[in-house]
Amino acid sequence: NAGVTQTPKFRVLKTGQSMTLLCAQDMNHEYMYWYRQDPGMGLRLIHYSVGEGTTAKGEVPDGYNVSRLKKQNFLLGLESAAPSQTSVYFCASSYMPRTGGSGDTQYFGPGTRLTVL
Amino acid sequence: AQSVTQLDSHVSVSEGTPVLLRCNYSSSYSPSLFWYVQHPNKGLQLLLKYTSAATLVKGINGFEAEFKKSETSFHLTKPSAHMSDAAEYFCVVSEYNQGGKLIFGQGTELSVKP
Repeated sequence: NAGVTQTPKFRVLKTGQSMTLLCAQDMNHEYMYWYRQDPGMGLRLIHYSVGEGTTAKGEVPDGYNVSRLKKQNFLLGLESAAPSQTSVYFCASSYMPRTGGSGDTQYFGPGTRLTVL
Repeated sequence: AQSVTQLDSHVSVSEGTPVLLRCNYSSSYSPSLFWYVQHPNKGLQLLLKYTSAATLVKGINGFEAEFKKSETSFHLTKPSAHMSDAAEYFCVVSEYNQGGKLIFGQGTELSVKP
């Protein structure tokens, strides 16, 4: 049971290049999330998905796209990278949040450190 | 709208002394509250979670937190700090009816001196 894995671990891009970050989970979780972490700002939600084939915008969605073609995978794409997207990206997953607080614990991957020059 | 405020950006303690990391929250509904820890260059690990079953929550590595509704606080404590506790700690709120989205505090960096 690997939990949540992210590929790649590190990447350097030039401005204008594109790339896709892959997140995979083997816990049969319905919900998946992409966050970015910047110094002094905690984690901010980029996009999330409440099930296969669905996606929704989070707090900072601009410049990113996502897809959830399979339940276990959640892809984050940067079509034209900008230096402002230099950050550490975390993927997370959870069961379906329900009344009473069950199912809403999110499990995080190890992160992808992205630098855009 | 819900929010989380961690009252200290940095806390420094000596090994063997108590740890107190402060967190206040704002939420329109009955929230779930979490503390996560992040060691340098690592992912986030769940320390503990409050879901209304008990106001005092015990977590891993000797940490615990007390939910005080009247003060809208969820402070994290540990009786005796260990060098391995040095890390960044995040207080987090979740509302199940908002897609389970988490709102993070800015984080508190804990330093432990020998």
